[in-house]
Amino acid sequence: DTGVSQDPRHKITKRGQNVTFRCDPISEHNRLYWYRQTLGQGPEFLTYFQNEAQLEKSRLLSDRFSAERPKGSFSTLEIQRTEQGDSAMYLCASTGLPTGYTFGSGTRLTVV
Amino acid sequence: DQQVKQNSPSLSVQEGRISILNCDYTNSMFDYFLWYKKYPAEGPTFLISISSIKDKNEDGRFTVFLNKSAKHLSLHIVPSQPGDSAVYFCAAGGGADGLTFGKGTHLIIQP
Repeated sequence: DTGVSQDPRHKITKRGQNVTFRCDPISEHNRLYWYRQTLGQGPEFLTYFQNEAQLEKSRLLSDRFSAERPKGSFSTLEIQRTEQGDSAMYLCASTGLPTGYTFGSGTRLTVV
Repeated sequence: DQQVKQNSPSLSVQEGRISILNCDYTNSMFDYFLWYKKYPAEGPTFLISISSIKDKNEDGRFTVFLNKSAKHLSLHIVPSQPGDSAVYFCAAGGGADGLTFGKGTHLIIQP
């Protein structure tokens, strides 16, 4: 499978706990994006990387959120001190030739 | 402020007929537009795109039309099939920044 993979698919956590998600992009793609999708909304841009450099961060990305892409390959998105409002689908996408913009299946986070 | 708007939350179309999904945008800096299809519990799947230098792009049963002066694009699916039932998102982008998505239109194809 050469698509974008995300792990885990589902995560249930208690309020106040930290969670970390992983995204493995298509290997030829050098740009990697994180989005968040809540019920009834389209995906909302969070941040993106060009290789290992984080180039853009949305105002949605509070200081409890941090993303990394060491060595320009896989990326992690960490949420510290989770709140119920963080419950959402977190989507990763990578872009490049030849497939263009490709999304993973997402990680569904539920904060209880 | 919503820069990409899909004003129809849902659309019901009979199998075999044409489905037309609409999208409006406000940011004149957008220079490429995409349509995505999404099934429950899956990530969005790319359908078709169009750059701002074109006014039409066709791929099989899917055609996207872009009217730059009206800041409007539409996705036509003909003929509609039961497997087309899904949520369709319009997205717009400019440069390397992330895409801006609409809220989606739930298309229901009735047999």
